[in-house]
Amino acid sequence: DAGVIQSPRHEVTEMGQEVTLRCKPISGHNSLFWYRQTMMRGLELLIYFNNNVPIDDSGMPEDRFSAKMPNASFSTLKIQPSEPRDSAVYFCASRAGQGAPLGEKLFFGSGTQLSVL
Amino acid sequence: QKEVEQNSGPLSVPEGAIASLNCTYSDRGSQSFFWYRQYSGKSPELIMSIYSNGDKEDGRFTAQLNKASQYVSLLIRDSQPSDSATYLCAVPMYSGGGADGLTFGKGTHLIIQP
Repeated sequence: DAGVIQSPRHEVTEMGQEVTLRCKPISGHNSLFWYRQTMMRGLELLIYFNNNVPIDDSGMPEDRFSAKMPNASFSTLKIQPSEPRDSAVYFCASRAGQGAPLGEKLFFGSGTQLSVL
Repeated sequence: QKEVEQNSGPLSVPEGAIASLNCTYSDRGSQSFFWYRQYSGKSPELIMSIYSNGDKEDGRFTAQLNKASQYVSLLIRDSQPSDSATYLCAVPMYSGGGADGLTFGKGTHLIIQP
């Protein structure tokens, strides 16, 4: 399996522009997570989906952020309009299912390094 | 939301010695605990999980859990330069089951000196 695939790997944009990050989870995994990582705040959970349904979006910082999962093999995280404080590494992760032990292991993608100028 | 606290380091350990990484958590009801390793510029990867009080060993790694003290640690024996990374402690965000996301500490930066 190719693992969790994220695109793009790097994104440089100007303040006010729309940014779309993409993620393809591991086939057969039924949970998908979007995390953001910065030096100051560490890894923060933004939103997660179980069986394509958003379960908890309390970590989404504000209405400028939105996420969708139209099917089991694709998810997007959109920022509109983007701001310099959104600069961070955005990770997508997937998980096989519920329960220990393997069900609780998160598999992370390589991340998207976002820079908003 | 649960909190997970780690000393950010850097923690410098000579090659061949034991590296000891510590983590405390806020919710006494937490049932599952995880250690992830993150190399610079890479994504986190799971290296240990522990669910019961006591020690759990896997190769050179030992996880230790003390629920009464709300404390979990990771020991790395015979430290190698390849162990130099940031180590993240994590607990489930809510119920402790497998249905929710993980809350991560900010990580401890470990440096193994040759």
